[in-house]
Amino acid sequence: EIVLTQSPDFQSVTPNEKVTITCRASQSIGTSLHWYQQKPDQSPKLLIKYASQSISGVPTRFSGSGSGTDFTLTINSLEAEDAATYYCQQSSSLPLTFGPGTKVDIK
Amino acid sequence: QLQLQESGSGLVKPSQTLSLTCAVSGGSISSGFYSWNWIRQPPGKGLESIGYINHSGSTYYNPSLKSRVTISLDRSKNQVSLRLSSVTAADTAVYYCARGRTLDLAFDIWGQGTMVTVS
Repeated sequence: EIVLTQSPDFQSVTPNEKVTITCRASQSIGTSLHWYQQKPDQSPKLLIKYASQSISGVPTRFSGSGSGTDFTLTINSLEAEDAATYYCQQSSSLPLTFGPGTKVDIK
Repeated sequence: QLQLQESGSGLVKPSQTLSLTCAVSGGSISSGFYSWNWIRQPPGKGLESIGYINHSGSTYYNPSLKSRVTISLDRSKNQVSLRLSSVTAADTAVYYCARGRTLDLAFDIWGQGTMVTVS
């Protein structure tokens, strides 16, 4: 099973700041890595697929990069509505697994 | 627009079987482009993939749950079902139904989730 780790666990950020979240895989997964946003009491929402491909309707301030074992989700110019927990998920091999999540709080 | 709606028993006794249904509207579960997934999230914790079923009825279950899980399709009702047997308190979670894209196994549409408590 591929294990995903995320850092940091928690981040408190001022609006308009840039946020960077890292996801690391226990073995190479190419670009089979997706990012989700989960707001309190809501279901997760797909933000980025295949490490860097944008999803229709997702604000352009969200972007992803990386390949192999190291991936990054970047939120440019954070807005108050971006307060959420962010998860990465790999689809390189079964079982599909998620990272533990990074909680982003607004100062 | 496709929507998913989970329903089922919110309270299950230990050792009994958890049964949930995901009603799919705005699209067919028989589409070959998608799989139908169950994912759970214990209170205050992260996400765990339980398994999926595709349009032809082929299933995959997470090895950690495989001996207790059954996922099935009801094409007449356009529904996906989950059964989890011999439940314990560790199975207490919000259970989500999600559509997975066959091409990349990303979950692009989620239900609102349903809380199941084992007690």
